Order: sequence, then structure tokens, then C-alpha cells
Amino acid sequence: GIQVEQSPPDLILQEGANSTLRCNFSDSVNNLQWFHQNPWGQLINLFYIPSGTKQNGRLSATTVATERYSLLYISSSQTTDSGVYFCAVERITNAGKSTFGDGTTLTVKP
Amino acid sequence: NAGVTQTPKFQVLKTGQSMTLQCAQDMNHEYMSWYRQDPGMGLRLIHYSVGAGITDQGEVPNGYNVSRSTTEDFPLRLLSAAPSQTSVYFCASSYGPDTGELFFGEGSRLTVL
Repeated sequence: GIQVEQSPPDLILQEGANSTLRCNFSDSVNNLQWFHQNPWGQLINLFYIPSGTKQNGRLSATTVATERYSLLYISSSQTTDSGVYFCAVERITNAGKSTFGDGTTLTVKP
Repeated sequence: NAGVTQTPKFQVLKTGQSMTLQCAQDMNHEYMSWYRQDPGMGLRLIHYSVGAGITDQGEVPNGYNVSRSTTEDFPLRLLSAAPSQTSVYFCASSYGPDTGELFFGEGSRLTVL
């Protein structure tokens, strides 16, 4: 099956700092999403981004499908950004089957 | 708009007991799926469905059964619970391919003693 690798596994920042999270995948995909799991366990969809660049406030994401990676940028981080960030991909030949990476655990300190 | 609703939120079972985790969505989504999340790990796919009457296995299907008799509901059954099934379970739904933004329920925490 497709492999999804996220880096770094853990990240500790001071409030106000910027960060970049990476997601590498081993095969062509037609669907890539970034999620934030908050400390209460809720999974929130941040971006649906199979290719290109999107921005939403302080967060932005870029997927380079031909090179099989995606980046999530967090600028001016806040303590509420803490949690686990997951990347999930889906191949067109496996519709309905999303594969998740192991996540990046972000801790933002005040 | 309720979105994806899972019940129960918490459950404790003894080894060998059976139970059903319920999942319902009110967004008319074709695709539904069940994941489990173990501590410090990502989500692993158990079973999924691309429409009513159609189900298939994911990465970790052993010990679980599913059915999809309606578009709205996708229950997950544990026939004989084992301690290895202690986990947090998430149900998700999406419209389908190429518009596949996943929406998750709030999760169900299951402990098997």
C-alpha cells in the first residue's frame, strides 16, 4: 500500500514562531488532506489540497504532486495551534481508502 | 446540521462481549469509513463503504464487521471483543472521489478488559 511519512514527529515552538510540517507519500494520489487533532481528540479538516497552494488565515499548504510531497505552514503560532497534525492521502485506484501518516505533534508554549 | 454522529462516546467491555458502534451522517455523503487510533499513532482504516450495499476491508479489518443498508448509517460491529481492540474509533464520511474532503465524528473510546 501507499506509504505516508510526516516530519518532524515532534515540534516545540514559542508563541509567535513560524513552522513548516512536511508530508511525503510514495505513490500518485488524487486526494490529500491536512487535519488538526486538538487536545480533546477532535479531528478538524484544515485543507483539501491534492495539488497547488491554499491559504486560510495564518495557515497555508502546498502540494507538489509530481514530487510527492505536501507542506503545511503555520505562521505566528498560538497556543491554540497545539495538537497533532495529520496528512492523509487517497489514490484514485483506491477510492474511499484514505491512508494517514503518523502525525506531527506540535506544542506551542506561551 | 449534525454532520457525523457517533454513539456511544465511551464504552467498557469484557473480553468476549459484543457491541455495535453507531455512525450516522446527514450530509448525503456516499463514502463512509471507520478508523481506529491507538496511542501515539495515526488513524488506521478498518472498513469502508462507497455506497449503500457496498463495503470493503481496510488495513485492519480482523475482528470487525460492517454493513451499509442506508446512505446515512454505517455501524461497526465487534462480535467478540479482545483487549487488542481497546482504542479510539472514528467514523468519517465524504461526498466521494475528487471531492473527498473527510468529515469526522467525535470519536468513541472503547476499553476491553
